[in-house]
Amino acid sequence: AQKVTQAQTEISVVEKEDVTLDCVYETRDTTYYLFWYKQPPSGELVFLIRRNSFDEQNEISGRYSWNFQKSTSSFNFTITASQVVDSAVYFCALSEADSSASKIIFGSGTRLSIRP
Amino acid sequence: GAGVSQTPSNKVTEKGKYVELRCDPISGHTALYWYRQSLGQGPEFLIYFQGTGAADDSGLPNDRFFAVRPEGSVSTLKIQRTERGDSAVYLCASSLTPSWGTEAFFGQGTRLTVV
Repeated sequence: AQKVTQAQTEISVVEKEDVTLDCVYETRDTTYYLFWYKQPPSGELVFLIRRNSFDEQNEISGRYSWNFQKSTSSFNFTITASQVVDSAVYFCALSEADSSASKIIFGSGTRLSIRP
Repeated sequence: GAGVSQTPSNKVTEKGKYVELRCDPISGHTALYWYRQSLGQGPEFLIYFQGTGAADDSGLPNDRFFAVRPEGSVSTLKIQRTERGDSAVYLCASSLTPSWGTEAFFGQGTRLTVV
């Protein structure tokens, strides 16, 4: 069965601090995709990153970085030098190759609050 | 259009009534998805269309829920005999192709409240 767990329900940090959002997933497939989405107060889910199961290279995009470790089934997301605009709910998600094309299973989300 | 458009943005209905939620995907996107998001939870998959046909409706909770996409563009999610438990934000997403792992673009959702 596929499952995504985001154990951190809420995180609050002061602006400019670094923060890491944890994501642990479960799947029986060897071929899958992992995603991170951001949901600001407006409600629209914004795509951040997609990573396939064969690519364990970590990725950095500006202040954002992602650490994918298959050995621990984790796909953690770090924001460096956080800003107030980073405040949102962040979702980690999984799509298995054996499921219907593009069917995505989401975690329950982590609400991130950046205090000025 | 520029993005996925969902109407109405808010809908309040009485228990037992019928509602329709509309999704206008990004022009040219062949794949369309409906998700439901309850308060404090992540989106839950409902149904996926490839063109006009429902390729996977395994997430529809029961037969009160139905969705159509007659011309392969706009989709309507229909809920009959609404119940208070149906209250949630209903999200629509589209992607250029139905290929596995393709990035999906989400609308802002319709907040449905059943009173």
